[in-house]
Amino acid sequence: DGGITQSPKYLFRKEGQNVTLSCEQNLNHDAMYWYRQDPGQGLRLIYYSQIVNDFQKGDIAEGYSVSREKKESFPLTVTSAQKNPTAFYLCASQGWRGDYGYTFGSGTRLTVV
Amino acid sequence: AQSVTQPDIHITVSEGASLELRCNYSYGATPYLFWYVQSPGQGLQLLLKYFSGDTLVQGIKGFEAEFKRSQSSFNLRKPSVHWSDAAEYFCAVGPKAAGNKLTFGGGTRVLVKP
Repeated sequence: DGGITQSPKYLFRKEGQNVTLSCEQNLNHDAMYWYRQDPGQGLRLIYYSQIVNDFQKGDIAEGYSVSREKKESFPLTVTSAQKNPTAFYLCASQGWRGDYGYTFGSGTRLTVV
Repeated sequence: AQSVTQPDIHITVSEGASLELRCNYSYGATPYLFWYVQSPGQGLQLLLKYFSGDTLVQGIKGFEAEFKRSQSSFNLRKPSVHWSDAAEYFCAVGPKAAGNKLTFGGGTRVLVKP
């Protein structure tokens, strides 16, 4: 079955460390997105990519980096510059055929320890 | 710029009662419209979507939504709520052209009383 996979489900980071969250899709979708969720704050867009080797900053890109070397993969790195990284992170993909709706992964919960 | 407003941050409903979640949007033209549901600690799941045609759309889990162009609204309804419907619900509007992002509302958290 086609879908979008995020890993790991839970991730713990020490202060000053960079960590990378994985997002892989086999839906042949063109665009991919990273969102951050904090309690009571809805979805906030971090980065998005509409084609391979190209990506754009969203509303809260500071302290994060991404790459899009393959159509299927859009990893997110939370760098040590992100001062408050504890949150729930969601990845989504979007195809340009059909309804342009998003398919979401199941999320990664990142906690700073 | 497009925007989506979900006026109710929290709604509490008794099990078996009806539920209506409000969604108002601002968009240059009639967009694609979506409702997603998120259970705690999970990703978002598509409940239903509207593109064109019949303004009453049926979705999964017994949900339906009605598009009202004159009111720029896309309200979600369920006649009889089950305890498993406790979740957060997001309305989104999207482009009718490739290359554009969805815009999400802030979400409505639904609590179900026994």
